[in-house]
Amino acid sequence: QSALTQPASVSGSPGQSITISCTGTSSDVGSYNLVSWYQQHPGKAPKLMIYEGSKRPSGVSNRFSGSKSGNTASLTISGLQPEDEADYYCCSYAGSSIWVFGGGTKLTVL
Amino acid sequence: QLQLQESGPGLVKSSETLSLTCSVSGGSISSGSYYWGWFRQPPGKGLEWIGNIYYSGGTYYNPSLKSRVTVSVDTSKNQFSLKLSSVTAADTAVYYCARWYTSAWCVDYWGQGTLVSVTS
Repeated sequence: QSALTQPASVSGSPGQSITISCTGTSSDVGSYNLVSWYQQHPGKAPKLMIYEGSKRPSGVSNRFSGSKSGNTASLTISGLQPEDEADYYCCSYAGSSIWVFGGGTKLTVL
Repeated sequence: QLQLQESGPGLVKSSETLSLTCSVSGGSISSGSYYWGWFRQPPGKGLEWIGNIYYSGGTYYNPSLKSRVTVSVDTSKNQFSLKLSSVTAADTAVYYCARWYTSAWCVDYWGQGTLVSVTS
């Protein structure tokens, strides 16, 4: 199982919207509605932001949203705020009790 | 509030076995709704899933690490553990323990992480 593909970096200005893609295959992202997204600030543990592709845990801002089309999942952050600057990782079930992560995307808020 | 705390040596010699324990507080490791897992993150790199365990002992492992990994659980102590054998410098990483919410197969709680360095 290969890692999911994410852009290394994205950037946006405060108030803008950005989208981070997570591309897998028909064996993982394309086959299961089990993509989750995690935010990680430097030196901190990851935090769950989206699960089952588009659901937000309690306490996560509605500025964060998730979607999927084919083998690609996406995380959109609207109304960018300085505190959104972090690394973001996608994770997908890949069948046979295996999970794979994306390589991570560094979000810079300009 | 659930809390997970990793513990174990911060330095391990090359070719030896890395051993970490995760202590769970604020909830029971024997809850049927969760698996318990280990992840790692090499310095400056991305997250990697290592393996999961259910309270009854059922395990899932990353195929790339399966030959060297053992995850075990001690329900009496509300702990689970990781052993990674024959370590090399490539195993230097921050190791996280975490809880998988099985209804959605996502990780909803993470430990703070512990850096393990492999030395020669």
